[in-house]
Amino acid sequence: DGGITQSPKYLFRKEGQNVTLSCEQNLNHDAMYWYRQDPGQGLRLIYYSQIVNDFQKGDIAEGYSVSREKKESFPLTVTSAQKNPTAFYLCASSIHPSSKYTQYFGPGTRLTVL
Amino acid sequence: QKEVEQDPGPLSVPEGAIVSLNCTYSNSAFQYFMWYRQYSRKGPELLMYTYSSGNKEDGRFTAQVDKSSKYISLFIRDSQPSDSATYLCAMVEETSGSRLTFGEGTQLTVNP
Repeated sequence: DGGITQSPKYLFRKEGQNVTLSCEQNLNHDAMYWYRQDPGQGLRLIYYSQIVNDFQKGDIAEGYSVSREKKESFPLTVTSAQKNPTAFYLCASSIHPSSKYTQYFGPGTRLTVL
Repeated sequence: QKEVEQDPGPLSVPEGAIVSLNCTYSNSAFQYFMWYRQYSRKGPELLMYTYSSGNKEDGRFTAQVDKSSKYISLFIRDSQPSDSATYLCAMVEETSGSRLTFGEGTQLTVNP
């Protein structure tokens, strides 16, 4: 089956720890995205990547880092510098950076800081 | 002021009702408009998309865009309990690649 997978589904972190969220897609899509979803705030863009080995900051990149070493993978690291990391994190991909509509989302990872 | 405003609800309707979901926006450069449906604890799925002003129909769903008023709507006819979800509007400029700007979502419950 083609699609986007995110793991783990639930993640717990102690304050001061870095944690990495996985996102993998087998759709052969060029572009990948990370969003954060909080109640009452909709989806906010953290980072995006249009091609391998290149990525750009979104609207709320502070305290996060990413890499894009392979086309299929776009992991997100939530660092200890992120002041309020508890949220639902969504990864998405689109076939081409210029495709306006077709962003496909993964099932999400819910991160809780204890 | 947010670029995209969406009434968060919650909205509760009886089965069979016509549902109207709405978003307003302030950026006149938005050209592409989308509606996503998100079930609880799941990722959003693309429901409808339109380009510029006009209507688009797909089964029980109709997406409407009025660029002169900076207003978009999603209508659901003969609503079903399975339509219970959060509905997110999203939009993108012609020149910004595929960076979407989302509304905060409207939570809809259709009661049997």
